[in-house]
Amino acid sequence: DVKVTQSSRYLVKRTGEKVFLECVQDMDHENMFWYRQDPGLGLRLIYFSYDVKMKEKGDIPEGYSVSREKKERFSLILESASTNQTSMYLCASSLSRTGIYEQYFGPGTRLTVT
Amino acid sequence: ILNVEQSPQSLHVQEGDSTNFTCSFPSSNFYALHWYRWETAKSPEALFVMTLNGDEKKKGRISATLNTKEGYSYLYIKGSQPEDSATYLCAPIDYSGNTPLVFGKGTRLSVIA
Repeated sequence: DVKVTQSSRYLVKRTGEKVFLECVQDMDHENMFWYRQDPGLGLRLIYFSYDVKMKEKGDIPEGYSVSREKKERFSLILESASTNQTSMYLCASSLSRTGIYEQYFGPGTRLTVT
Repeated sequence: ILNVEQSPQSLHVQEGDSTNFTCSFPSSNFYALHWYRWETAKSPEALFVMTLNGDEKKKGRISATLNTKEGYSYLYIKGSQPEDSATYLCAPIDYSGNTPLVFGKGTRLSVIA
């Protein structure tokens, strides 16, 4: 079974801190994604990556950056955390770029910025 | 970016009732449609990936149909059980065929025992 893991289930950070959210998948998937989920807004795509060292902006990239140095690892970086970045963050991966492959999600990280 | 609408936003049914909900998307340039189930405190899990007009897929008591010409998909749950309580998300993909998925806001189903 595909496994997608995220470094923390719960995280509390202060405004202005630099925050790293880590995601690792163990099935050699090409694609990796970062979403945030907020009540009433559904899942929104922040960044995604089709390959190592590649990154593409999603719908809401402002205030975030990403890093994919290895195929299995995709990191989301909040350069200077703000309270409006308090949210549930979900990482996902899929086999390849073709959209017929399902996405596998990690357990999520609930981030609170105070 | 594809515009996807799901209805209703939320639904409460009694255990044993059958129910269905809708995912609407632009019919032009359709490539594929994904359905996911997201239970509270768990990760979203894929239910179906559908590509052909008229396609019908089934997994246990859950089934889905697809109409690409008019731009909608129905998800049916037969004899709802409390464990079916979840948010059901759909995500269409356009003809470029490339991910990422654009998710609808979901239908939140509550099954009352």
